[in-house]
Amino acid sequence: DTAVSQTPKYLVTQMGNDKSIKCEQNLGHDTMYWYKQDSKKFLKIMFSYNNKELIINETVPNRFSPKSPDKAHLNLHINSLELGDSAVYFCASSLADEQFFGPGTRLTVL
Amino acid sequence: DAKTTQPTSMDCAEGRAANLPCNHSTISGNEYVYWYRQIHSQGPQYIIHGLKNNETNEMASLIITEDRKSSTLILPHATLRDTAVYYCIVRVGMNRDDKIIFGKGTRLHILP
Repeated sequence: DTAVSQTPKYLVTQMGNDKSIKCEQNLGHDTMYWYKQDSKKFLKIMFSYNNKELIINETVPNRFSPKSPDKAHLNLHINSLELGDSAVYFCASSLADEQFFGPGTRLTVL
Repeated sequence: DAKTTQPTSMDCAEGRAANLPCNHSTISGNEYVYWYRQIHSQGPQYIIHGLKNNETNEMASLIITEDRKSSTLILPHATLRDTAVYYCIVRVGMNRDDKIIFGKGTRLHILP
């Protein structure tokens, strides 16, 4: 069974649209994260949640809104998509020292 | 900003030991050294971490200098599947407010 899963794997959409990426972990971890990896391959944290509570919120436009319905899920909703939002988005979860990453969602905004 | 510096890229022959250096001269006493790697198109994968003692697991060994200002990740018998970007990270760890800050990493090429 996949530990951290994300859907969809690929997402192609037009500027101005609203889209969501879903993440689920079956590891029983308390903390979940969203990272963005841009075209230059820099990997940057966006958000983290611990037991559905927002812990880390980096300088991310408020068009990005994470939602955690329960501690096994952390979804990312993006409003009014822009060209600069094109990237690979990774979800991760952790219990203690080690973070487990999902396979990534490649978002392309046209 | 990342608190570590790593070479941009390295080559290693298959079957040999790959030694990846990392400088972290401003590391604090309560900060751990972590290593992750990212194989092409996949999510990062945890490798190992340590505070001041050398550590070994089934994937790699971590050698931390006595002054803790640098460390070396050792892959004892590199295979083609070890070709990846390797990230050296310092963080407090075990702290839910602490975040992983990824630098540029070292692109390791394992040569057949």
